[in-house]
Amino acid sequence: KQEVTQIPAALSVPEGENLVLNCSFTDSAIYNLQWFRQDPGKGLTSLLLIQSSQREQTSGRLNASLDKSSGRSTLYIAASQPGDSATYLCAVGGGADGLTFGKGTHLIIQP
Amino acid sequence: DAMVIQNPRYQVTQFGKPVTLSCSQTLNHNVMYWYQQKSSQAPKLLFHYYDKDFNNEADTPDNFQSRRPNTSFCFLDIRSPGLGDAAMYLCATSLYRENTEAFFGQGTRLTVV
Repeated sequence: KQEVTQIPAALSVPEGENLVLNCSFTDSAIYNLQWFRQDPGKGLTSLLLIQSSQREQTSGRLNASLDKSSGRSTLYIAASQPGDSATYLCAVGGGADGLTFGKGTHLIIQP
Repeated sequence: DAMVIQNPRYQVTQFGKPVTLSCSQTLNHNVMYWYQQKSSQAPKLLFHYYDKDFNNEADTPDNFQSRRPNTSFCFLDIRSPGLGDAAMYLCATSLYRENTEAFFGQGTRLTVV
């Protein structure tokens, strides 16, 4: 059974810092990996999708990498802003199993 | 424009009283999913539809049912809600089950009193 772990569980940094969120998964047989953002009491907003054949994807200040063989992904956020404060969820896609999620990293960017 | 819409955003129901949550999509996606997310936990897949084919997760309680009358709409029915069913319910869609991006709605926060 696929298991997804996100480290750290919580992170608080000053505005302007670059930061890295980590995600690991136990079964490398995945179709894709998706990073989401969740604001308090809200649904999930898709940030980046990496197909299993890809190594990384970029969108604005966000860069996500995937090392399928080692079961790891990282989300890099450049020049963090207070508006980046949210919970970031990593999810791996296993086809008919839907997405398997980690518990998320709760990020606070201090002004 | 919202592409996956869930109604209502907040639902309060009485213990044991049937409740239905609604999800609609404008993406014309084949797959619609329902996830349950309890406080500070990872979203957990309850079931999904691939077109008209219903796929239930093995550990989803019988108390949870779903209907998909057409491509655009999908409903989550909780036959007899218990206190432990209080959670955020998330609807998601994707074009296919593999290799395609999942899009989520804003969720319905269910409270059971």
